[in-house]
Amino acid sequence: KQEVTQIPAALSVPEGENLVLNCSFTDSAIYNLQWFRQDPGKGLTSLLLIQSSQREQTSGRLNASLDKSSGRSTLYIAASQPGDSATYLCAVNTGGFKTIFGAGTRLFVKA
Amino acid sequence: NAGVTQTPKFQVLKTGQSMTLQCAQDMNHEYMSWYRQDPGMGLRLIHYSVGAGITDQGEVPNGYNVSRSTTEDFPLRLLSAAPSQTSVYFCASSVIAQNTIYFGEGSWLTVV
Repeated sequence: KQEVTQIPAALSVPEGENLVLNCSFTDSAIYNLQWFRQDPGKGLTSLLLIQSSQREQTSGRLNASLDKSSGRSTLYIAASQPGDSATYLCAVNTGGFKTIFGAGTRLFVKA
Repeated sequence: NAGVTQTPKFQVLKTGQSMTLQCAQDMNHEYMSWYRQDPGMGLRLIHYSVGAGITDQGEVPNGYNVSRSTTEDFPLRLLSAAPSQTSVYFCASSVIAQNTIYFGEGSWLTVV
């Protein structure tokens, strides 16, 4: 059974710092991995989707990497801003109809 | 530019009552799904649909029913509400199951 873990559960950093969020999964046979952002009281917004054949994806200050063999993905946020404060979730799809989510990392960027 | 629309936003139910959470999408997506989000547990899949007339169970289907009569709509029915169903419910859609997922704003349900 695929399990997705995100550590730490919460992270606080000063503004301007570069940071890395971690995601690990137990079954390396994945089809793709997505990173989402969730603001308080809101739904999830997809940030990046990495196919299993890809090593990384970039969007603005965000860079997501994927290492299937080790069952890990990271989301790198450059030059963090207070507006980046949110919960970040990763999710894996193994090629079927079900996507498995991690519990998320709550990020707080201090001004 | 509506995307995925859920109603109601907030609801309080008494134990044993039934209700329907509505979900509609205007992106012509074939795949739709319902998740519940509980503190520290991430999102868990309740039911999903790969097209009109086709539904299947997810990880936590007990106590919930779904139907998909049109591509646009995917309502979630609570048959007899229990306090364990107090949660935040999210509807989502995508072109196919493996594509970028679009979420609604969520429905906060409290069962007393």
